[in-house]
Amino acid sequence: QKEVEQDPGPLSVPEGAIVSLNCTYSNSAFQYFMWYRQYSRKGPELLMYTYSSGNKEDGRFTAQVDKSSKYISLFIRDSQPSDSATYLCAMSAGNQFYFGTGTSLTVIP
Amino acid sequence: NAGVTQTPKFRILKIGQSMTLQCTQDMNHNYMYWYRQDPGMGLKLIYYSVGAGITDKGEVPNGYNVSRSTTEDFPLRLELAAPSQTSVYFCASSYNRDNQETQYFGPGTRLLVL
Repeated sequence: QKEVEQDPGPLSVPEGAIVSLNCTYSNSAFQYFMWYRQYSRKGPELLMYTYSSGNKEDGRFTAQVDKSSKYISLFIRDSQPSDSATYLCAMSAGNQFYFGTGTSLTVIP
Repeated sequence: NAGVTQTPKFRILKIGQSMTLQCTQDMNHNYMYWYRQDPGMGLKLIYYSVGAGITDKGEVPNGYNVSRSTTEDFPLRLELAAPSQTSVYFCASSYNRDNQETQYFGPGTRLLVL
């Protein structure tokens, strides 16, 4: 079983839609949860991070962590064509990081 | 701050050649990492370092070597390039203080081994 599972997509939505991206994990020791955005031919860019359970909001982005279900989500409201990218979830414990394989998102104008 | 920088951006190697991928960070992070990213496979950890003089193997270390003589630099060495090492290589660094444990990535080095 992989440490982190992420649906690779691809996901295609119309502009303005609400996007939901999800990951599940198996290691209950994970304490830090991150979402990265990666544009084509670029390095991953840290989008949001959360410590332990709960929600965190930053503009159009909301990250949710449910440690009891070992499930994390990223919501994008009012999606824009510029949000088209691959989104990677990541989690860590003790500076060991584990990444999902990424979900490819396309927002159609 | 420049963050994490990597050189070169792109390189073509012949089988059996060697090269060093350079990585530098100016954020005074103790932890540094090397990943490779293959299409549809996500990020795989090659080596990591928890501080100057200390390195350890990750998930896919075979065919690679690293050193960490300073806090800022973490070069990755390929001794005998093989086609299986064709990939995109990312260097990253992180810190763990003030309840923040996050990783910052460089722009990547695209390597093609022919």
